[in-house]
Amino acid sequence: AQSVTQLDSHVSVSEGTPVLLRCNYSSSYSPSLFWYVQHPNKGLQLLLKYTSAATLVKGINGFEAEFKKSETSFHLTKPSAHMSDAAEYFCVVSLSGYALNFGKGTSLLVTP
Amino acid sequence: EPEVTQTPSHQVTQMGQEVILRCVPISNHLYFYWYRQILGQKVEFLVSFYNNEISEKSEIFDDQFSVERPDGSNFTLKIRSTKLEDSAMYFCASSEMGGSGRITDTQYFGPGTRLTVL
Repeated sequence: AQSVTQLDSHVSVSEGTPVLLRCNYSSSYSPSLFWYVQHPNKGLQLLLKYTSAATLVKGINGFEAEFKKSETSFHLTKPSAHMSDAAEYFCVVSLSGYALNFGKGTSLLVTP
Repeated sequence: EPEVTQTPSHQVTQMGQEVILRCVPISNHLYFYWYRQILGQKVEFLVSFYNNEISEKSEIFDDQFSVERPDGSNFTLKIRSTKLEDSAMYFCASSEMGGSGRITDTQYFGPGTRLTVL
């Protein structure tokens, strides 16, 4: 079965410092992987998507993620955090051609 | 930019009552989904729908649940007899394509309907 584990339930960074949100996946083959973000009282917004075309994936708002098969990881990074980045972040793996399997989420807090 | 919309944003109902949650997917999308998120838990897949048929469903999606595309724009989730444990945020999503083997198309999510069962 395909699943994801988000290693941190909460991450706190200072504005202007790098962001690292960690995700490990479990899959019998190279899966489709996603990062979604959920701002308070908002829906789920796609940040980026990996589908084996390139291991380094660039997303919106300066976020990127690197697929590392040897480490079964798909960590999300951003060089410099902004206050508006404070939100819940979900690492997601495709179970099939349809269903998405969400991680438990990482809450990102950005302090001034 | 096209987006998925959902109504109502918040629904309160009594246990045992039927509820219908409504979604308007992005207009050129062909695949539709429902997910739910119980408070404090992760987002869970319920069902996917294509060409007026359920293409995949999870164990959660039992006989109490049904989905329908009653017209060319709406996609609904019905819960026949609500239970306390159905209280959750329900997300609708849509995608232009579905999946082909390992490749899953991007799913675009609505803002959710918060269902509270008393």
